[in-house]
Amino acid sequence: EDQVTQSPEALRLQEGESSSLNCSYTVSGLRGLFWYRQDPGKGPEFLFTLYSAGEEKEKERLKATLTKKESFLHITAPKPEDSATYLCAVQAADYKLSFGAGTTVTVRA
Amino acid sequence: GAVVSQHPSRVICKSGTSVKIECRSLDFQATTMFWYRQFPKQSLMLMATSNEGSKATYEQGVEKDKFLINHASLTLSTLTVTSAHPEDSSFYICSFLAGNYEQYFGPGTRLTVT
Repeated sequence: EDQVTQSPEALRLQEGESSSLNCSYTVSGLRGLFWYRQDPGKGPEFLFTLYSAGEEKEKERLKATLTKKESFLHITAPKPEDSATYLCAVQAADYKLSFGAGTTVTVRA
Repeated sequence: GAVVSQHPSRVICKSGTSVKIECRSLDFQATTMFWYRQFPKQSLMLMATSNEGSKATYEQGVEKDKFLINHASLTLSTLTVTSAHPEDSSFYICSFLAGNYEQYFGPGTRLTVT
C-alpha cells in the first residue's frame, strides 16, 4: 500500500525565516510526486510535479527536490501570503494520487 | 495551470434528500477524472475514478449506490449524493487528469446535511 508521511504537521515561521517541509513516501511504481498548496475552504492548487530522483523545480520562493525516498519543499524568505497547507502526493501506475496529511505553514509578519 | 470549476460551492440540504455537484474543466478535455472527500483537518481521500463513457470505479468503503458519478463528457462530471445523511457532510473536490498526467483540482463543494 502506498504511504505518504509529511513532517512537520505544523510550522510557524517569522517573515523571512527560510525552512523546509519533508515528504517521505513508499509507493510501487512511482509515476510522479506532486506538491499542492491548499488554502482554507479551497481546492488544492498545483505547484510542482517531480518525476525522478535528483530533479528540482522552483517557483518564486518555493523549491522542490526529490530523492528515491523523500521530497523536500524549501520555502526561502517566506512572506505572510505563503501561509497555507502544503500537500504532498504520490502518483502510482494507475494515475491515482495518495496524499499525505499536509503541513500547515503560518508565516508571521 | 488548468482551470476547473465546481458548482455549487456550498450546499445545505435536509437528511434524506439528494444533492448533485457539478464539475467542469474549462480549458482542457480529460477522459479520466477523480472525486475526493476531505473532512476537517484531514487530507484528501479518493472516493472514485471515472472515465468518460464508462462506469466509475469506487475505492474500498465507498458506497457506489450512495455516490452516483456520471462522467457525461470530456469536460463535465457530476457527483450525486443520494439520500444524504449528516455523516455525509464534508468537502467534496473533483480533479481532472490532464494530458501530461497532472491532476488539476476544482475549488471544492462544502456539503452540510441537517
